[in-house]
Amino acid sequence: RKEVEQDPGPFNVPEGATVAFNCTYSNSASQSFFWYRQDCRKEPKLLMSVYSSGNEDGRFTAQLNRASQYISLLIRDSKLSDSATYLCVVSFNDYKLSFGAGTTVTVRA
Amino acid sequence: DADVTQTPRNRITKTGKRIMLECSQTKGHDRMYWYRQDPGLGLRLIYYSFDVKDINKGEISDGYSVSRQAQAKFSLSLESAIPNQTALYFCATSDASGSYEQYFGPGTRLTVT
Repeated sequence: RKEVEQDPGPFNVPEGATVAFNCTYSNSASQSFFWYRQDCRKEPKLLMSVYSSGNEDGRFTAQLNRASQYISLLIRDSKLSDSATYLCVVSFNDYKLSFGAGTTVTVRA
Repeated sequence: DADVTQTPRNRITKTGKRIMLECSQTKGHDRMYWYRQDPGLGLRLIYYSFDVKDINKGEISDGYSVSRQAQAKFSLSLESAIPNQTALYFCATSDASGSYEQYFGPGTRLTVT
């Protein structure tokens, strides 16, 4: 079983729409959770950390459900520039990150 | 200038050849990592280093070796390349302050024929 599993998508949405997707993780000892963004086989970049109480960063909202071991990301008012692959990342220490394979989002005009 | 650089950016090599991928960083971070990315799979850790004298195997180290020549430089070698090592390779860095964020280089696309 993969440590982090994501729906690969693609999620095709029109500009202005809301899109949401989840990932599940298998290690109940995981302590830290993140969403990274990766554009077209370029390097991954941190989008946001995910906190237990849930958190927002502009149009992006992340939620964590420890009991069910899943993390979600919601993007409101989608922009063309949001088209990317979103990587779910979990960690149980401060150096070893476990990456999901990514969820592809395509925003169309 | 980019904080984490990788050379070469693209490389095609033949089975059995030795190849070295190089990574340099100007972020002043102590920790450096090598990952590979394959379609449909998440990034997988090959090796990591916490400082110049520290080298650790990741989850898929077989067929690879590394050298930490200085705090800023971490190279990955394939002693005898094989086709299933065709992948996108990323170097990353992080500081030792407890921050979980890793900063990635632009990647090296390696093809072994």
